[in-house]
Amino acid sequence: QSALTQPASVSGSPGQSITISCTGTSSDVGGYNYVSWYQQHPGKAPKLMIYDVSYRPSGISNRFSGSKSGNTASLTISGLQAEDEADYYCSSYTSSSALVFGNGTKVTVL
Amino acid sequence: EVQLVESGGGLVQPGGSLRLSCAASGFIFDDYTMYWVRQAPGKGLEWVSGISWNSGSTAYAGSVKGRFTISRDNAKNSLYLQMNSLRAEDTALYYCAKDQYCSPINCYRGFDYWGQGTLVTVSS
Repeated sequence: QSALTQPASVSGSPGQSITISCTGTSSDVGGYNYVSWYQQHPGKAPKLMIYDVSYRPSGISNRFSGSKSGNTASLTISGLQAEDEADYYCSSYTSSSALVFGNGTKVTVL
Repeated sequence: EVQLVESGGGLVQPGGSLRLSCAASGFIFDDYTMYWVRQAPGKGLEWVSGISWNSGSTAYAGSVKGRFTISRDNAKNSLYLQMNSLRAEDTALYYCAKDQYCSPINCYRGFDYWGQGTLVTVSS
């Protein structure tokens, strides 16, 4: 199972919106609505930001939103803030009852 | 308060074995699918293995299939990962993680809780 494809880096200025893509196949992202997104700050465990493509867990800011079209899922961060600077990973359930992560995207707030 | 505490990591020679443990508390352990996820130094997250609530179903990444075995003891609220035939590329921080809602293996609703990880280093 190959890693889902994410851009290595995305940057934006405070207050702007950015979008991170996550491209898979019909056997993972395109085949299920079991797509999640995680935020990871250096030296910390990952934190769940989005699940089931577009749902936010309790306590997660509504500046974070998720969507999916075909084999590509997306995470949008609106009103970018300094604390959003982190690594972001998508993940998906797959047809072999396995899970797969994306290769990660470093978000930089300019 | 939900807590996942991993242990058992350390330095091991190539070809050696190690057993990781994850002690869970603060939730009904046998209601949820549990997982192991690893992260090599400076690299991204890699899903390793998952186990259903009753141990009836397990799944493994291709990179560890046949070498690693996941198990759980619901009476002890504990998750385990037996790692055999270790290779240098298995060097990583190993996280234990809980699924948000799921109990069977064919379901994934995101990992709402993670441990802090236990470091495994495979080197001669």
